[in-house]
Parts: sequence; structure tokens; C-alpha cells
Amino acid sequence: GMPVEQNPPALSLYEGADSGLRCNFSTTMKSVQWFQQNHRGRLITLFYLAQGTKENGRLKSTFNSKERYSTLHIKDAQLEDSGTYFCAAETTNTGKLTFGDGTVLTVKP
Amino acid sequence: DAGVTQTPRHEVAEKGQTIILKCEPVSGHNDLFWYRQTKIQGLELLSYFRSKSLMEDGGAFKDRFKAEMLNSSFSTLKIQPTEPKDSAVYLCASSLDWGDTQYFGPGTRLLVL
Repeated sequence: GMPVEQNPPALSLYEGADSGLRCNFSTTMKSVQWFQQNHRGRLITLFYLAQGTKENGRLKSTFNSKERYSTLHIKDAQLEDSGTYFCAAETTNTGKLTFGDGTVLTVKP
Repeated sequence: DAGVTQTPRHEVAEKGQTIILKCEPVSGHNDLFWYRQTKIQGLELLSYFRSKSLMEDGGAFKDRFKAEMLNSSFSTLKIQPTEPKDSAVYLCASSLDWGDTQYFGPGTRLLVL
């Protein structure tokens, strides 16, 4: 299967709602990064994790290398959170970065 | 402090041409990345430099794609010869080190006819 599977492909939330995105990996990954791409196409780094959990404001991300998954949790969604979210994982063997297909998030008022 | 700059912002090429895309990273950053984004393939890492040394050359892209970093403040991505399937947005990013925040440029939108 695909090395990085990202779910869901699309997500629609109302302002103030909480939700989560997930990436499953077909093999053990060394690290994971999460990015947001806004409507103008500009990419922003959200998190880098080699293990464990990180929080930044309303965002929280977890990476479990052994269980082969990573999550991105959004709390109290705001309109400006709309965009496409990508996870990218670094494989242990090659050090190459492989991206998921992205989750298109729409936050409605 | 300037962010990552990329030129040109748009490029139209005929099949078989040589094109060179340029990127200036954030001053002081050690790592530089070239990515490609298409609707079909999504985001793909093409090249990764650490302190000007090529760490990742993108495997499948080696054939017609060549990224170079002759000094710490300038990188080029050459595509030779171009093919219509190369039509995509090419993104450059830099970071202080692996794992640090990557700062992305606005991208170059390439159309190969």
C-alpha cells in the first residue's frame, strides 16, 4: 500500500468545533511533519515530531512510530484554519520525506 | 528579514526546452528543499541540501532534474529536457536545520506545452 495514508480526504467543521486528522504509515517512520497550505497555495510548517506529542495553541500533534500513525488535533476551529493539511514522514532507511495526499479542511461560520 | 524568494513566478516552456528555476533561502538557513506539487501526484520532495551538500536527490527525478547549490544563498533547479508531465508548481523551502520550521517560497508555476 501507500507509504503514507492520510484521512479523511476532506473535512467540514463549524467554527468552535474540535476535530482530528490522521496519517497511517505502512512502515516504521523516523519522524513526521505536518504542514498547512492556505488558499493562496502558501505552505506553513506546523509541527515536526520524532516521537511523542507537541502542542501549539489550538493545535496538537502526536506521533507513535511503533504503532505507525500520527494525528493532528484542531481545537476550537476558526475560519482561518481552512486549508489543506499534509503530513510528511521520513522513512528510517532512506531519510526521504513522503507526503500524504492531504486533508482539505473547510471551517464554516 | 526576507523570506524565501523564488523566480520566476510563472514559466511557460515548449517540450524539449531547458528551464532553470531559482531560489534564495532565508539568510542563515542550512537546509534547502525543492518540492513539486501537482493535482495528481500531490507533494513530492525533489532535492534536499544540508549546508550546500546534496542529501536527497529525489530518486525517480534524477534523470532530467538537477538541483544545485553553489553557495549558501542561492539554489537552482534545472529541468532538461522539459516534458508536458513536468507541468506543476515547484516549491523551494529552507530551514535552520532538519526538523526546524521550513519556510516556503511562493512557488514557480511551470507549464510545459
